[in-house]
Amino acid sequence: DAGVIQSPRHEVTEMGQEVTLRCKPISGHNSLFWYRQTMMRGLELLIYFNNNVPIDDSGMPEDRFSAKMPNASFSTLKIQPSEPRDSAVYFCASTTAGEQFFGPGTRLTVL
Amino acid sequence: GENVEQHPSTLSVQEGDSAVIKCTYSDSASNYFPWYKQELGKRPQLIIDIRSNVGEKKDQRIAVTLNKTAKHFSLHITETQPEDSAVYFCAAVKADKLIFGTGTRLQVFP
Repeated sequence: DAGVIQSPRHEVTEMGQEVTLRCKPISGHNSLFWYRQTMMRGLELLIYFNNNVPIDDSGMPEDRFSAKMPNASFSTLKIQPSEPRDSAVYFCASTTAGEQFFGPGTRLTVL
Repeated sequence: GENVEQHPSTLSVQEGDSAVIKCTYSDSASNYFPWYKQELGKRPQLIIDIRSNVGEKKDQRIAVTLNKTAKHFSLHITETQPEDSAVYFCAAVKADKLIFGTGTRLQVFP
């Protein structure tokens, strides 16, 4: 298995633009998580899905952020409109029980 | 909700010495406690974990202890090596929801 796959690996955009981050979890894993990592706030859980259903989105910072999981092998995190304070590394992780496996992350820079 | 505190935020040791990182959690229903290592520019990777029905677990130079009554758990690294230098995160998990501590930057000097 290739592990958790994220794209793009790097994204540079201008304030106000829409950003879409993508994640493919490990096949067979039934839970998927989106995290944001910054120096100031550390690793924050944004939202997680179980069997494609959003379970807890209490970490989503505001309405500009949305996430979907249309099927077991794909999820997106969308920011619209983006702001400079959204600059961070966004990780996707998946698990079936216990260990969460992280993807390589997407480094987002909003100018 | 769950809150995980981690100390120290930075730790510098000489190669060969031991390193200890401590975490406390607030939700007694948390039942799984993984430790992740994150090297610069890379993803967090699991190095060891412990479940709430176990008090201690060891894997070569790494060990984790859990005190459920006090709601704290610790990571112990013995005979540290320069390649142990990284940021270490503890976490507490309840029903798949993983809450991370704030991280400890460990530097091992040769």
